[in-house]
Amino acid sequence: EVQLVESGGGLVQPGGSLRLSCAASGFTFSNYWVSWVRQAPGKGPEWVANIKQDGSEKYYVDSVRGRFTISRDNAKNSLYLQMNSLRVEDTAVYYCATSSNWKFDYWGHGTLVTVSS
Amino acid sequence: DIQMTQYPSSLSASVGGRIILTCRASQSVSSYLNWYQQKPGKAPKLLIHAASSLESGVPSRFSGSGSGTDFTLTISSLQPEDIATYYCQQTRSPPFTFGPGTKVDI
Repeated sequence: EVQLVESGGGLVQPGGSLRLSCAASGFTFSNYWVSWVRQAPGKGPEWVANIKQDGSEKYYVDSVRGRFTISRDNAKNSLYLQMNSLRVEDTAVYYCATSSNWKFDYWGHGTLVTVSS
Repeated sequence: DIQMTQYPSSLSASVGGRIILTCRASQSVSSYLNWYQQKPGKAPKLLIHAASSLESGVPSRFSGSGSGTDFTLTISSLQPEDIATYYCQQTRSPPFTFGPGTKVDI
């Protein structure tokens, strides 16, 4: 069974940092592009970033470029999102999702990040 | 960036009824268009990819069509378990933008 399990969310002050993790199992993680997608309360999903199978290509939405860094460790079947200089508007549930073949087919349950003073 | 719009923003229909949801892209996305269903407190679930390809395990009452800038998701016979918000997403080029959603109830 395919599983993606996010962790690392929590409450952080504006300007702070947080590192999210996503543990993958039940499939060959190293064969997939993977993405982070976030969803602010009451809003639609927003794609944040993705990373190629070998980590050689990464793409970001403009609003996080330079503040967030996506990375992966295929040996540990894990995806990460380092979030720096956090803003109130980064408050959201953050999901990891497989995103190969131009479709986001497997999703985790999400982890909540709240940026507030 | 490619902007996605959806309409209506919400709709109410009867069990067994047929509904059509519409999604429009600000520029051509060819067939790089996905549809997701999301229920409260859950992650989005992929229903259709490449505009018209039904995901494995998704009931056949769901169907998608369109290409370029205009797309539709049709539910041929609405069921109580279809109450959800539906989002379209383009994967033609990053950022892979989602539409604002259509909320469906009965």
